Amino acid sequence: EVRLLESGGGLVPPGGSLRLSCAASGFTFSSYTMTWVRQAPGKGLEWVSAISDSGSNTFYADSVKGRFTISRDNSKSTLYLQMNSLRADDTAIYYCAKDGDSVGAVDYWGQGTLVTVSS
Amino acid sequence: DIQMTQSPSSLSASVGDRVTITCRASQGISSWLAWYQQKPDKAPKSLINGASRLQSGVPSRFSGSGSATDFTLTISSLQPEDSATYYCQQYNSYPITFGQGTRLEIK
Repeated sequence: EVRLLESGGGLVPPGGSLRLSCAASGFTFSSYTMTWVRQAPGKGLEWVSAISDSGSNTFYADSVKGRFTISRDNSKSTLYLQMNSLRADDTAIYYCAKDGDSVGAVDYWGQGTLVTVSS
Repeated sequence: DIQMTQSPSSLSASVGDRVTITCRASQGISSWLAWYQQKPDKAPKSLINGASRLQSGVPSRFSGSGSATDFTLTISSLQPEDSATYYCQQYNSYPITFGQGTRLEIK
């Protein structure tokens, strides 16, 4: 059974930093592209970032480029999102997601972790 | 960036009805289109990829069609548990983009 367990969310002041983690199990982590998607309160889904299976290729939404860094540790089956210079509009539930055989199409989602940026 | 536009934004239908949701891409995306279902306070669930391929375990009353710029998600016989918000997503190119969502309510 595929499981994705996010952690690291919480309350952070504007300008602060936070690192999200996603522990994966139930599949060969090193074989799949992984993705972060967020959802602001009462809003729709927003794609944030993705990283290739080896970690050699990364992609970002314009809204987070230069502030967020995606990474992975295949030896630990763990995905990360380092978030710096956080703003109020980064407040959202952040979902870790596994891409399927078609890169870009998610087949499994984590339960999400809430990030609140507020003073 | 590729813009994804869903219609309608919301709809209400009765159990047993046939329901169709439309998704339009601002440029051609071949069949690189996925659909997701999200119930209140829950993580999204993957329904369809490749415009028409059902994910494992998804009921056969769900189907997808289309290519290039115009796509549809159809529920052939609406069930009470289908009350949710549905999102389309293009993965033809980065940045990946979602539609704004369609809220489906059961009358």
